Amino acid sequence: GAVVSQHPSRVICKSGTSVKIECRSLDFQATTMFWYRQFPKQSLMLMATSNEGSKATYEQGVEKDKFLINHASLTLSTLTVTSAHPEDSSFYICSAVLTSGGYNEQFFGPGTRLTVL
Amino acid sequence: AQSVTQLGSHVSVSEGALVLLRCNYSSSVPPYLFWYVQYPNQGLQLLLKYTSAATLVKGINGFEAEFKKSETSFHLTKPSAHMSDAAEYFCAVSDGYSTLTFGKGTMLLVSP
Repeated sequence: GAVVSQHPSRVICKSGTSVKIECRSLDFQATTMFWYRQFPKQSLMLMATSNEGSKATYEQGVEKDKFLINHASLTLSTLTVTSAHPEDSSFYICSAVLTSGGYNEQFFGPGTRLTVL
Repeated sequence: AQSVTQLGSHVSVSEGALVLLRCNYSSSVPPYLFWYVQYPNQGLQLLLKYTSAATLVKGINGFEAEFKKSETSFHLTKPSAHMSDAAEYFCAVSDGYSTLTFGKGTMLLVSP
């Protein structure tokens, strides 16, 4: 149980285009999902917290107009990278929160490799 | 505020040797602690977690970790390394309610 999927797993796009990444909780409902970015050989950097039915909360330094987050249902959150540039190339990982045993646990998706040419 | 320090960005062991990956945490509330493994171009896989029950936690693939409050540590061990254990390992702390705070990661290298 507690499986999270991401689509696509890998995407290559041209500079200036927009890319949408989907994060789905397959066997549970998640009021909260998180979006992380990971640079090569580095740790995960939290970008934003996505709450179903409300606006996302962005971490300091993350451009909300560049990284649009929509959490339209209890099983789906999307991250849209708008007007992508080569510096947006990265590994993007989402997680979905399941409350179990009195605490909130995050379950991670397999990640999406974005390459902007 | 919470933080995690992983000592050693790289750890090298021989196949069959003991694996020890170090993690120290800082938390103003009783922590929930996690170890994750990441293989290249993949997401995070949970190895084990401490959630205020037993201080010695056993996880998947033969890994275990011991929560030591007096030392604010949660080191990860495995008695005998396998080639397949070569990966990046992340320690993380949570207050149980909100976000995870990750360490910088330790790359485990296993030689034949």
